[in-house]
Amino acid sequence: DQQVKQNSPSLSVQEGRISILNCDYTNSMFDYFLWYKKYPAEGPTFLISISSIKDKNEDGRFTVFLNKSAKHLSLHIVPSQPGDSAVYFCAASARFGAGNNRKLIWGLGTSLAVNP
Amino acid sequence: DGGITQSPKYLFRKEGQNVTLSCEQNLNHDAMYWYRQDPGQGLRLIYYSQIVNDFQKGDIAEGYSVSREKKESFPLTVTSAQKNPTAFYLCASSIERSYNSPLHFGNGTRLTVT
Repeated sequence: DQQVKQNSPSLSVQEGRISILNCDYTNSMFDYFLWYKKYPAEGPTFLISISSIKDKNEDGRFTVFLNKSAKHLSLHIVPSQPGDSAVYFCAASARFGAGNNRKLIWGLGTSLAVNP
Repeated sequence: DGGITQSPKYLFRKEGQNVTLSCEQNLNHDAMYWYRQDPGQGLRLIYYSQIVNDFQKGDIAEGYSVSREKKESFPLTVTSAQKNPTAFYLCASSIERSYNSPLHFGNGTRLTVT
């Protein structure tokens, strides 16, 4: 059962417009969320994160919004650039079991194409 | 430049053979991880290590083994006991194993077992 869902496998956007990538989660224990970007033939690279005590985090052109009641987060890229074309992964972290044991659960990714 | 190096990029093996995937980092990170990526599934954790000479099983450790003799190195052995070894393997590291310490990934090794 997929606890972190990225329901859109792909997204196509015009250069200069906004890209919105969505991520839904089912486990209310998740308290930290991260977005990674992956180019072909490379490993994922960290993009931006958000703690569950916040509802927004911004870093340059990238903003992540968190709606805890809806168990939904989104990544906004404004303005989109051709170099943003990549696969974007959403990941969620929660404490499982006793102690400081944490798990990081990954979505399947959304492939973003930004067209010139 | 600091980073994580995985080698080789592509690896082919015959069924029944053990194979070791290399992972080296020069980021001075304490924690290292091995993930597996399969089509239609998110990244799944195989093993992780928080410190030299210590490692813990992840969610899908069966059929794999690791060692952490040096801070910089965390090799993964795919043994013949692994039922479906063909996959894309990613090594990662982080400053420490904490929830808000982002992972730095290598470029992966694609293993094909026939």
